Amino acid sequence: GDSVTQMEGPVTLSEEAFLTINCTYTATGYPSLFWYVQYPGEGLQLLLKATKADDKGSNKGFEATYRKETTSFHLEKGSVQVSDSAVYFCALSLHSSNTGKLIFGQGTTLQVKP
Amino acid sequence: NAGVTQTPKFQVLKTGQSMTLQCAQDMNHNSMYWYRQDPGMGLRLIYYSASEGTTDKGEVPNGYNVSRLNKREFSLRLESAAPSQTSVYFCASSDQRGTRTTDTQYFGPGTRLTVL
Repeated sequence: GDSVTQMEGPVTLSEEAFLTINCTYTATGYPSLFWYVQYPGEGLQLLLKATKADDKGSNKGFEATYRKETTSFHLEKGSVQVSDSAVYFCALSLHSSNTGKLIFGQGTTLQVKP
Repeated sequence: NAGVTQTPKFQVLKTGQSMTLQCAQDMNHNSMYWYRQDPGMGLRLIYYSASEGTTDKGEVPNGYNVSRLNKREFSLRLESAAPSQTSVYFCASSDQRGTRTTDTQYFGPGTRLTVL
C-alpha cells in the first residue's frame, strides 16, 4: 500500500548546522509530496510542497526536491536556528484521489541547541 | 479568521465514558478530517468528510463515530472510551477546486485525550 518512511529521530543539532531529514515514499501513481511542521503544543502547519517530479518546494530557508527516480523528498536547511526545533512530518497525497487525503510518515523530532 | 478551532483542548475520561470532540472551520472548505497522533506513528486518519452530508472511514475508524453537522462543523464521538484511545486528536480541513479537493490541509490546535 501507499506509505511514507522518515528517518528516525530525535535529531539534535547545534545552531547554524546543516539539516537533512530523509523521507522516502511508496505510492501507486504520482503523488504530491509535503512537509508539515508541528511546533510544541500546536497543530501541524504546511512547510512546503511539490506536486510533480523534479519540483523543488521551499519556504523559510527549507527546501525539498521531488525525486521520482529515488522516490524521495528529503528536507534540507543550510543553517538551523533554535526556533526550528519542532516535529517534521513528510506526507503524500495521491492525485487519483478526489478526497485530498494525506498519508503521513511517523515524524522526526528536531532539537536545535544554542 | 480563526481557521480551524477545536474544543476541548484537554480531556480526561474514565473507561466506558462517552464524549464528543468539536471542530469548526471558517474558511468555507468542503472537506474535513479527523486524525489521531500517537508517538512514533505519525498521524492516522480516523474519518473524513468530502462534503457536507457525507462521511467516510479512514485508516482507524473503530470505536469512533462522526457527524458533519453543516459545512463548518465536523464532530468526533467516542461512545465508550477505552485506554487505547488515549491520544492527541487533530481536525483539519481543505478546499475544493472544481471537482478535486486541493492537497493542502489546515489543522486545528488539537485535543489531548487521556482515558483512564
